[in-house]
Amino acid sequence: DAKTTQPPSMDCAEGRAANLPCNHSTISGNEYVYWYRQIHSQGPQYIIHGLKNNETNEMASLIITEDRKSSTLILPHATLRDTAVYYCIVRVSGGSNYKLTFGKGTLLTVNP
Amino acid sequence: GAVVSQHPSWVICKSGTSVKIECRSLDFQATTMFWYRQFPKQSLMLMATSNEGSKATYEQGVEKDKFLINHASLTLSTLTVTSAHPEDSSFYICSAPSGAGGSNTGELFFGEGSRLTVL
Repeated sequence: DAKTTQPPSMDCAEGRAANLPCNHSTISGNEYVYWYRQIHSQGPQYIIHGLKNNETNEMASLIITEDRKSSTLILPHATLRDTAVYYCIVRVSGGSNYKLTFGKGTLLTVNP
Repeated sequence: GAVVSQHPSWVICKSGTSVKIECRSLDFQATTMFWYRQFPKQSLMLMATSNEGSKATYEQGVEKDKFLINHASLTLSTLTVTSAHPEDSSFYICSAPSGAGGSNTGELFFGEGSRLTVL
C-alpha cells in the first residue's frame, strides 16, 4: 500500500471547518483513499473513502486532487467531540485483503 | 451500521496469567477479523489476521504461541495473551470488514478496544 504523509497535529476553533491534508504521491491507480479517526481510548471509526471523485457523507467531505497525489478531509462544522487522531490510509478496496496499515495520523484538537 | 463488540473493555491481571479477549460481530458475519495492538501515544500495529475455520496469520515479530487466536465461528474471534507480562500491557483492538449484502467497500469496523494491564 502507498505511503501517506500527514501533519502531526492541527488546531481548529469550534464551529469552524477543519481541513486535514494528506499527501500520497505514490498512490497507484487502483488504490483508494480512506479516512478513519480515533477518539482517545476508543477503537477507530470509519469516516469516508474515495477513489478520484470528491465524496461527501453525513460526517465529512473528501476532496481528492486531480492527480490523486493528495487529498483533504473536511469537517464542515467542527465540534469538541471531533477532537481525535485522524488517519489517512491508502489501499486497494475490497477483495480478500481488508487489512489497514495505520500511520501516525493527525491529532486534531477542536478548541472552544 | 455494522457493530463489532469486544469484551472485556479492560482487564487487570497478575504477571504469568493468561487473559482472553473476545471480539464479536453483532449484526453481520465475519470470516476475517483483524487484531491490533496500540501502546500509549503510538499508532495501531496489526498483530494478526484471524480466519474462520483456519489458522491465523501473524505479522512479523508477533509470537503466535504467546498470542493465541481462535476464530471459532463467523461472529466470534478470541485473542488469548498467554503468560502475560507487564510489557504486554496495551490496548488491544479487533476489527472486521462488513461485507454485508455483498458490499465490498473495504470498510473496516472496529471494536471498542480492550485495555490490558499486567501487574
